Order: sequence, then C-alpha cells, then structure tokens
Amino acid sequence: AQSVTQPDIHITVSEGASLELRCNYSYGATPYLFWYVQSPGQGLQLLLKYFSGDTLVQGIKGFEAEFKRSQSSFNLRKPSVHWSDAAEYFCAVGHNQGGKLIFGQGTELSVKP
Amino acid sequence: GAVVSQHPSWVICKSGTSVKIECRSLDFQATTMFWYRQFPKQSLMLMATSNEGSKATYEQGVEKDKFLINHASLTLSTLTVTSAHPEDSSFYICSARVGAGEQFFGPGTRLTVL
Repeated sequence: AQSVTQPDIHITVSEGASLELRCNYSYGATPYLFWYVQSPGQGLQLLLKYFSGDTLVQGIKGFEAEFKRSQSSFNLRKPSVHWSDAAEYFCAVGHNQGGKLIFGQGTELSVKP
Repeated sequence: GAVVSQHPSWVICKSGTSVKIECRSLDFQATTMFWYRQFPKQSLMLMATSNEGSKATYEQGVEKDKFLINHASLTLSTLTVTSAHPEDSSFYICSARVGAGEQFFGPGTRLTVL
C-alpha cells in the first residue's frame, strides 16, 4: 500500500539550532516527493520537491532534503532554525509532479527562544 | 504567479443547510483541481479530483451526493456541502494545476456546522 510516515508528531528546537524532520514512504513506483509547510489556518506552501537526479535538493527558506532510496526516506533539514519556521510540516508522495498526493500525518515544529 | 484563492475563508452554518465553497486560480487556467479535507491536527485527505468540464472523481469513502463538486470553468471549482452536519466541520483546502504540472494550494476554508 502507498503511504507516507512522519514518525515525529511534534518537535521543539531552540532558535538557531539545526533541524531534521523525518519522512519515510512506501510507494510501488518511482516516487515524486514533496515537503510542504502550513502555518496556522493557512494553505500549503511548497518547500521543495524531488523527482530525479541529485538526491540532495535545495528548497526555499534555507531548507534542504535528501532522498535515500535504500531507506525509503526523504528527510527535511535546516542548519539554523528561525522563530518564523514554527509551523506544521507535511511530507507527500505522488506518481508525478502534479497528480494525486498522499500526505504524511504532519510534524508540528515549535521554536523556543 | 500561481495563486489560488478560496472563498469564504471561514463559514458557520446551521445543521441541515448547504454551504458552497469556491476555489479560484487567479493567474492561470487550471485544467485540474483537487479538494482536500483536513481535520484538526491531522493530515490532508484527498476527497476528489475535478477536471474542467467533466464529472469529478471521488476518493473511496467520500459521498458524492453530499460533497458536490462543479468545475465549470478553467478558473473556478466549487464544493457544495449539502445538508451539512456537525461531523462535516473541517478545514477544506483546494489545489489547482495546469496539465501535469505542480499543484498550487489555496489558503483553505474553515467550516463549522452548529
């Protein structure tokens, strides 16, 4: 079955600290992978995506993610977190760039001063 | 570019009434629009996919007679929640794309049914 798992429901980091949000997927075909961010009461903003090529992808707001096929993972990282990064983060997988997406449960990020 | 809007942003209605939510692509023509539902502190669940000028394709378990979707033009799709009940209270999010391109998401509509 196709699925996305984000093991961490809630993470708290100190401002300036590094961040890694985990995402594991189960998908029968070559996956298209996405990370989105959602601020309270808002829609989703695309942070980055991976289709093929270099397994380390750069996104907006200083985020990056690494695709590891052997581990079926697509973890999101940021070297130094800012207070404005506090939000809900969703990992998603799809069959192509714009098709049906399967979302993970989301990870809520809190940033403490 | 690639802006998707939703209206209203929030709505409160009485049980048994119907509510219409609009999703518009403001600066592009969307051949496909998607409707998602999000419960508090949970993920987005795809409800249906709609292509302009054709009937929507509903995901398993979604009542098509309760959640009416119309995609009459390349810039507008509507979701009507018919005979709404408190369990329909949720955050509804639409997205739009051109061809096989990336999905762009709207800001969402908060529905509360009393």
